[in-house]
Amino acid sequence: GENVEQHPSTLSVQEGDSAVIKCTYSDSASNYFPWYKQELGKRPQLIIDIRSNVGEKKDQRIAVTLNKTAKHFSLHITETQPEDSAVYFCAASREGSGYSTLTFGKGTMLLVSP
Amino acid sequence: GAVVSQHPSWVICKSGTSVKIECRSLDFQATTMFWYRQFPKQSLMLMATSNEGSKATYEQGVEKDKFLINHASLTLSTLTVTSAHPEDSSFYICSASVPGTTEAFFGQGTRLTVV
Repeated sequence: GENVEQHPSTLSVQEGDSAVIKCTYSDSASNYFPWYKQELGKRPQLIIDIRSNVGEKKDQRIAVTLNKTAKHFSLHITETQPEDSAVYFCAASREGSGYSTLTFGKGTMLLVSP
Repeated sequence: GAVVSQHPSWVICKSGTSVKIECRSLDFQATTMFWYRQFPKQSLMLMATSNEGSKATYEQGVEKDKFLINHASLTLSTLTVTSAHPEDSSFYICSASVPGTTEAFFGQGTRLTVV
């Protein structure tokens, strides 16, 4: 089955700095890679996703890059703000297989200090 | 986006009792729902895949007689933790996707504490 590794487990940055979280996956058939943000005690919320037919996607301060050959993808947050503090999860799945089972990374706790 | 509602948000129960958690898709029909367990400061671990009208598919290591899943309608899946013990205390969360799409929508989660 799929295995997703995520690094780092914790990340502390100053407000305004950039933050980068990296994930690798094992199943070359995976083609959908979402990123979720989870605040303490709340449900995960999708913040951005990328499919294997593109190498980069950007949404305001958030961007995701995908390297299919190396089987890794990264989340980039620029101009970080204290409200970006949360746990971020990457995930991988196969679209088009009836239903898609998401395999999650272990999460990265991001702390943005004012 | 689509809405998935989970109930209750939190529950405290005595050891040996059973607890039922509901997961509803409010504005779409979900033939498949997923149940996860999350320990503090850890990731979401898939427990089982709930299939409407058929048996759930459990992940390796998850006791199907302990965690009963019923997906009796296209908008409701239930997880029953039977004969709960303190080690079952955790955050349980469900998810579903709009048919034909991949984005997963999560319920708000249920904090279970077994005393």
